[in-house]
Amino acid sequence: AIRMTQSPSSLSASTGDRVTITCRASQDVSRYLAWYQQKPGKAPKLLIYAASTLQSGVPSRFSGGGSGTDFTLTISSLQSEDFATYYCQQYYSYPLTFGGGTNVEIK
Amino acid sequence: EVQLLESGGGLVQTGGSLRLSCAASGFTFSNYAMSWVRQAPGKGLEWVSTISYSGYNTYYADSVKGRFTISRDSSKNTLYLQMSTLRAEDTAVYYCGKGGGDYSAFDIWGQGTMVTVSS
Repeated sequence: AIRMTQSPSSLSASTGDRVTITCRASQDVSRYLAWYQQKPGKAPKLLIYAASTLQSGVPSRFSGGGSGTDFTLTISSLQSEDFATYYCQQYYSYPLTFGGGTNVEIK
Repeated sequence: EVQLLESGGGLVQTGGSLRLSCAASGFTFSNYAMSWVRQAPGKGLEWVSTISYSGYNTYYADSVKGRFTISRDSSKNTLYLQMSTLRAEDTAVYYCGKGGGDYSAFDIWGQGTMVTVSS
């Protein structure tokens, strides 16, 4: 199985900060990489797919990059509604696998 | 409106069975792979199973293989997860998701249904 490793596991930031989360795959997943946002008690929400394509309706302050084994999710200017947990996921091969999550907290 | 609505969760004894359902609306259900993803209390997301758009191909996580069966009924726009020989470690919120097959991410998620396995 492809292992997805996210870092950091948590971070504290202020509104307006630029935040970058990284995700590393244990083997090449090409660009079959998605990012999700999850708030407490809610279902995950797709933010980015194909490593860098913004899902419809997602604010442009979110961006994704990378290919192969190394990927990033960047929030250019953190807003109050962005405090949540973020997960990466590869959909290159089965079993589909998620990263462990990054909890973005208010500083 | 595109929507997925899970049902069927609840409290079940260790070794018991349960069937989850996921009713889809707002899109052509028969055109898309569908999946189940679960989340144990306080933990991360874990993919459980995917079924192809046709229903011919199914995929399972090792942790549920041989115990869970995914299926779909396109006449009812409904996805199912039959769970048997349940264990305490199966306790989780179960989400259905649109996608997971044919190199697709999960673009639509249901609200989740809680399954608690207890002795």
